[in-house]
Amino acid sequence: GQQLNQSPQSMFIQEGEDVSMNCTSSSIFNTWLWYKQDPGEGPVLLIALYKAGELTSNGRLTAQFGITRKDSFLNISASIPSDVGIYFCAGRVGNQFYFGTGTSLTVIP
Amino acid sequence: DAGITQSPRYKITETGRQVTLMCHQTWSHSYMFWYRQDLGHGLRLIYYSAAADITDKGEVPDGYVVSRSKTENFPLTLESATRSQTSVYFCASSALAGGNEQFFGPGTRLTVL
Repeated sequence: GQQLNQSPQSMFIQEGEDVSMNCTSSSIFNTWLWYKQDPGEGPVLLIALYKAGELTSNGRLTAQFGITRKDSFLNISASIPSDVGIYFCAGRVGNQFYFGTGTSLTVIP
Repeated sequence: DAGITQSPRYKITETGRQVTLMCHQTWSHSYMFWYRQDLGHGLRLIYYSAAADITDKGEVPDGYVVSRSKTENFPLTLESATRSQTSVYFCASSALAGGNEQFFGPGTRLTVL
């Protein structure tokens, strides 16, 4: 299957700091998605990107669809304690979605 | 309640037994998906369905069977459970063609002894 490399695997940051994580693939995707998963729950969609080069914001979150269509990044500005969780990237080809292995974010108050 | 639900939330079974995980959504979404989540692998697609009576294999379909006789239900069956199928299983649904806006259920944690 498709391989999505997500980094970093984990992050420990102070409240108020900005966060950046990225996802790369050897394959081209038509759509990039970013999800957040809280413990014991299913992933929740944060941002969807549909075109190469697209930059989209959702509150304190900003994500970009890489020009090569093989990568994407997610930034979180001014982190708060409720940002804690696991963040997943996902790429879409046709009707199939491929997920990264996740970035675990811990925010220290 | 409206939304997407999964049952059971937790299941322990033995190798060789048949297990069925249920997924139900109240939105009348066309697309439904089954994923498994394992450490080091993220979420991997098992099967998906574009509509009632239409199903297709995902990345890791071996050992699983699905059916979709009604739009709102998408059960996943392990015909003869193996230890390697110990995992957390998530069902998702989407109204859009291609299913970008996927909504996930709360998950079923399955342990095969």
